[in-house]
Amino acid sequence: EDQVTQSPEALRLQEGESSSLNCSYTVSGLRGLFWYRQDPGKGPEFLFTLYSAGEEKEKERLKATLTKKESFLHITAPKPEDSATYLCAVQTYYGGSQGNLIFGKGTKLSVKP
Amino acid sequence: NAGVTQTPKFRVLKTGQSMTLLCAQDMNHEYMYWYRQDPGMGLRLIHYSVGEGTTAKGEVPDGYNVSRLKKQNFLLGLESAAPSQTSVYFCASKPGQYFSNYGYTFGSGTRLTVV
Repeated sequence: EDQVTQSPEALRLQEGESSSLNCSYTVSGLRGLFWYRQDPGKGPEFLFTLYSAGEEKEKERLKATLTKKESFLHITAPKPEDSATYLCAVQTYYGGSQGNLIFGKGTKLSVKP
Repeated sequence: NAGVTQTPKFRVLKTGQSMTLLCAQDMNHEYMYWYRQDPGMGLRLIHYSVGEGTTAKGEVPDGYNVSRLKKQNFLLGLESAAPSQTSVYFCASKPGQYFSNYGYTFGSGTRLTVV
C-alpha cells in the first residue's frame, strides 16, 4: 500500500536555529513529490515539486531534497514567519488513483523569536 | 484573482440537517477534489471528479454526495449531518491526470461544525 510518513509531528525552533523535516514514502512508481505550506485557517500553498532522486529545489530559507525513499525540507536560519504546518504529498503512476496525491499528516513548525 | 473559491467559509449545522458546500475554480482545470482535514488525521480524500459529469469515491465517502454538472463547479452535499462530520473541508483542483508541476491548487477551506 502506498504510504507517506512525516516526522517529527511537531518541531519547535529558536529563530536562526536550522533544522530539517522528513518525509518518507513507500510507493510503487513515484511520479513526483510535492511540498506544501499551510498557515492556520488557510488552504495548503504549493512550495516545491521534486521528480527524481538527487534533485534539489530552493526558495529563500527552504531547500527540498529527494532520495529514493525520502525527502527532506531543510530550513536554514528560520524566522518566526516560517511557522506553519508543512505537508508532503506523493503522486504515483500506478494504481486506480488517477494520479491523485497521497498526503502525509504534516509537521507543525514553530519558530520562536 | 484566479484560483479556487469555497463557499461558505463557516457553517454551524444541527444534527440531521442538510447542506451543500460549493467549490468554484476559474483555471479550466479538469480534476477537482474534496478533502476533509481533522487534527492528527491529515488530509483525507472524500470524493473527486476527473471531468464534467464524472465523480468517484475517495477514502472517506460515506455520508457525502457530490456533483459536477459544470466543469468549473464541484458541489459537496451532506444529506443528514452528523457530529462526526465536524471538520474543515478543502476543495482542490489540477489541470489533468499527471501534468501539474505544482500538484493541486487549494481553496481556503470551509469550517463546518455539527452540533
